[in-house]
Amino acid sequence: EVHLVESGGGLVQPGESLRLSCSASGFTFSSYDMTWVRQAPGKGLEWVSFISGRGSNTYYAESVKGRFTISRDNSKDTMYLQINSLRAEDTAVYYCAKRGYDILTGYFMADAFDTWGQGTMVIVSP
Amino acid sequence: QSALTQPASVSGSPGQSITISCAGTSTDVGRYNLVSWYQQYPGKSPRLLIYEVNKRPSGVSHRFSGSKSGNTASLTISGLQAGDEADYFCCSYAAGATYVASSYAYVFGTGTKVTVL
Repeated sequence: EVHLVESGGGLVQPGESLRLSCSASGFTFSSYDMTWVRQAPGKGLEWVSFISGRGSNTYYAESVKGRFTISRDNSKDTMYLQINSLRAEDTAVYYCAKRGYDILTGYFMADAFDTWGQGTMVIVSP
Repeated sequence: QSALTQPASVSGSPGQSITISCAGTSTDVGRYNLVSWYQQYPGKSPRLLIYEVNKRPSGVSHRFSGSKSGNTASLTISGLQAGDEADYFCCSYAAGATYVASSYAYVFGTGTKVTVL
C-alpha cells in the first residue's frame, strides 16, 4: 500500500528553523516527483514546493523562496523541507504528496498528486 | 500568483447535481489543461478526484466529473450523497513555461464547502 508519513513539526519561535520529513513506502520513490502543500488553520491549500524524482529540479512558491529548501534522499525513500527564519504566517499543517500515476492508462498524471500524507503541524509563536 | 476563485459554499439535496466553479486567468486555468480537483473532509488529508481537467483516477466515483471553458474550470457532483459533504479545492499549473525554474508554480482555489441539505 502506498503510504506517506510526515514528521518534524512542532511549536517554534519566530526566526527559528525546522526540518520536516516525509517518509514514503509502497512505491518506487525515486520514480516520482513530490511536493509540499500547506494549510493554515481554517484556510485553504497553498502549494509550497516541488522536487523532481531524481532531485535535480526544485521549485518554490514566491512566499517561501529563499527561506525553504526542499530535498530528497532516494536511498532512504524520504523527502525533506528545511524551513528557516520561521514567521507566524508559516503556521500551518504541512502535507507531502506524490505525483499521481494512473494505473488504468499506465501514465503519470500531469500536475496532480494522488497520495497525501496525514500532515505535520507547524506552529510559529513567541 | 493569486488563488483561483471558488464559491465559498454550494448546497444541494440528495440526488441532485451541483457544480463548483473555479475561476482563473489566461496564465493558469485558461492556458493549461492541467486542472485538478481535491476533496477534503475536516481534519483529513486531501483526496484527488479529477486530474487534467476531466480525468478520473481509479476508484473515484463516476458521479464526479470535470470540465473547463476558457479561464473557468468546473467540478460537477451528480446524484449528491450525504458523504459528499466536504470541502473541495481546484488546482492549476500556473507558470509561463513547463519546468522553467523561475516561473514554475501551482495555484489552488479558495475552496468550496459543499453541504447536503
